[in-house]
Amino acid sequence: AQSVTQPDIHITVSEGASLELRCNYSYGATPYLFWYVQSPGQGLQLLLKYFSGDTLVQGIKGFEAEFKRSQSSFNLRKPSVHWSDAAEYFCAVGARDSSYKLIFGSGTRLLVRP
Amino acid sequence: SQTIHQWPATLVQPVGSPLSLECTVEGTSNPNLYWYRQAAGRGLQLLFYSVGIGQISSEVPQNLSASRPQDRQFILSSKKLLLSDSGFYLCAWSAGQGSGAYSNQPQHFGDGTRLSIL
Repeated sequence: AQSVTQPDIHITVSEGASLELRCNYSYGATPYLFWYVQSPGQGLQLLLKYFSGDTLVQGIKGFEAEFKRSQSSFNLRKPSVHWSDAAEYFCAVGARDSSYKLIFGSGTRLLVRP
Repeated sequence: SQTIHQWPATLVQPVGSPLSLECTVEGTSNPNLYWYRQAAGRGLQLLFYSVGIGQISSEVPQNLSASRPQDRQFILSSKKLLLSDSGFYLCAWSAGQGSGAYSNQPQHFGDGTRLSIL
């Protein structure tokens, strides 16, 4: 069965520091991969997606993610964090079948120190 | 452009009362529609999804139900709410079958409904 693991429940970084949020997936083939961000009391906003091709994907708000097949990972990065990036981040996997569903990780809450 | 509307934003209901949450999508046809629940401090739990009018798939057996009376309308209901139904409910849509491949389509979320059961 497919699964997504976000090993860090909370991460705290200083404003201006770099950020990396980890995501590992379990799936027999190359999945479709997504990162979402959720501000408190809001819905989820799509940051970026990976389907195929270049393994380094650029997203909105200055985020990028790199797909590494050998490590079954799709980590999210940002070179310089802003206070407005404080939110919860979800990694998700979509199967290459007709199930229409995404499997979400449990999320990582990002706190930004001034 | 496509938009998704979800209401109400906040709801406080007594135990045993009925529930109806509504979600509508504009700017697209034949979308896939989804209901999720997010308990406090937890991830997303898929409750129902629909690939067409009247077609509902249930992911978690419970006292909730979903209906899709129109192409772009998705309703979450309950006849009698339980305390455990409290949470943040999110509706989402993704492009449907007519657009080709399926779960490579990202899901787009509404702003959610905060449901508190007293």
